[in-house]
Amino acid sequence: SQQGEEDPQALSIQEGENATMNCSYKTSINNLQWYRQNSGRGLVHLILIRSNEREKHSGRLRVTLDTSKKSSSLLITASRAADTASYFCATAARGSQGNLIFGKGTKLSVKP
Amino acid sequence: DAGVIQSPRHEVTEMGQEVTLRCKPISGHDYLFWYRQTMMRGLELLIYFNNNVPIDDSGMPEDRFSAKMPNASFSTLKIQPSEPRDSAVYFCASSFSRGSAAFGPGTRLTVT
Repeated sequence: SQQGEEDPQALSIQEGENATMNCSYKTSINNLQWYRQNSGRGLVHLILIRSNEREKHSGRLRVTLDTSKKSSSLLITASRAADTASYFCATAARGSQGNLIFGKGTKLSVKP
Repeated sequence: DAGVIQSPRHEVTEMGQEVTLRCKPISGHDYLFWYRQTMMRGLELLIYFNNNVPIDDSGMPEDRFSAKMPNASFSTLKIQPSEPRDSAVYFCASSFSRGSAAFGPGTRLTVT
């Protein structure tokens, strides 16, 4: 069954603006991960946040995790046209042996 | 490291034919995942292995699908017989323990 659900399904912004994508999940997790997929390519890991962490930064990326609400957000600051891609959250459920379940993704379009 | 290697990159076959997809994970990774991606269903986890042992194959659509991992450096996903609804991009991914997953470039399968 679907574990992570991203919101919105599609997002269109201008270069320089911030983009925020949200992810909700259903069960307790060990960690939550965000991935990026350019059209026609494989997924690339962006950032992993553990269940005992609340916020994590990597360059222009900021991820938050609220385990009480079973939700996470990915913020991309000062977006660039090259950030245009689909972004997925994936969860590793607590008690699982490591399988990652992905949501359907948010399609981000950054216009120059 | 060359990353996760998948072959072939593209496969076009006729309904009823056998299809074999191949994957070489990153050396040292102990988890291997097979995913299928379509527009309608997004990224679906088909099966995953830990230390070459299948852990969860509940995502495998039906008996026409089978996967093997004879050693730590090689896995196959076989569809026999193939059907048009199997057309999708099939991704192999590997990870170490419960960390981030590295994805291969995918195999685009078209069944006519």
